[in-house]
Amino acid sequence: QSVLTQPPSASGTPGQRVTISCSGSSSNIGSNTVNWYQQLPGTAPKLLIYSNNQRPSGVPDRFSGSKSGTSASLAISGLQSEDEADYYCAAWDDSLNGQMVFGGGTKLTVL
Amino acid sequence: QVQLQESGPGLVKPSQTLSLTCTVSGGSISSGGYYWSWIRQHPGKGLEWIGYIYYSGSTYYNPSLKSRVTISVDTSKNQFSLKLSSVTAADTAVYYCARALATTVSPYFDYWGQGTLVTVSS
Repeated sequence: QSVLTQPPSASGTPGQRVTISCSGSSSNIGSNTVNWYQQLPGTAPKLLIYSNNQRPSGVPDRFSGSKSGTSASLAISGLQSEDEADYYCAAWDDSLNGQMVFGGGTKLTVL
Repeated sequence: QVQLQESGPGLVKPSQTLSLTCTVSGGSISSGGYYWSWIRQHPGKGLEWIGYIYYSGSTYYNPSLKSRVTISVDTSKNQFSLKLSSVTAADTAVYYCARALATTVSPYFDYWGQGTLVTVSS
C-alpha cells in the first residue's frame, strides 16, 4: 500500500487532455514539493516534473504539474500514442525521520 | 552527460546478502550537491525508495528496510554500493541506482541507471 494514492489507470484518445491525481497528507505533499516520473514499458523511470510544476529540459510543454494542499495533479494535453506509460508521483515525507515516498503508479492507455 | 550503471549478481540465495554497485560516469560523486540513491521495483509493481548517501557518507534509509540496508560510497572509484541482508523472495525486484538533487525540499531523481533484476531463490 503506497503512501501517496494514485488511480491505477487512466485513458484517453489522441489529442485529448488527461489528468492524473496524487493524494497525500500533511507530512508529505502538504509540506513538500511533488515530482512526477514517466516509465515507458521495459525502461527506467524518467523525470517528468519536479518541484510541483517545473519541467526538465527536453520535456514537452504538453506535460504540466500542479499542487494544492495535500494533492497534486499531472496533466497531459494533446495526448500522443507515445505517452502510453506508467506515471508515478513522489514526495519527501517528514514522518519517521524522513523518507521518500512514491505513489502506486497510474497506467495511462492511449486508445 | 551523467550515466549510472548497476552491477552485481542477478541471483541471490535466501538469507544471504544482496550486494550491488553503481558506477557513475560523466560526473564526480565527490563534487557534492547530490544524493546517490537506490530504488527498487518489484515485478509488475510500483517504485520503492531504499535510501541514499551523500558523498560525505551521510545516509538516509527507508524506515521499513533500515535494519537490513547499508549504502556506502567509494569516491576514489566514483561508485556507491547497496547491501541488503537476510534477503527473502520478497526482495526479488529490479534495483535502480539514481542521482537526486540534494538542494530541494523533495529531492528528485534526474538520472537513473537502466536497472538490474535481482532474484532471490535457492
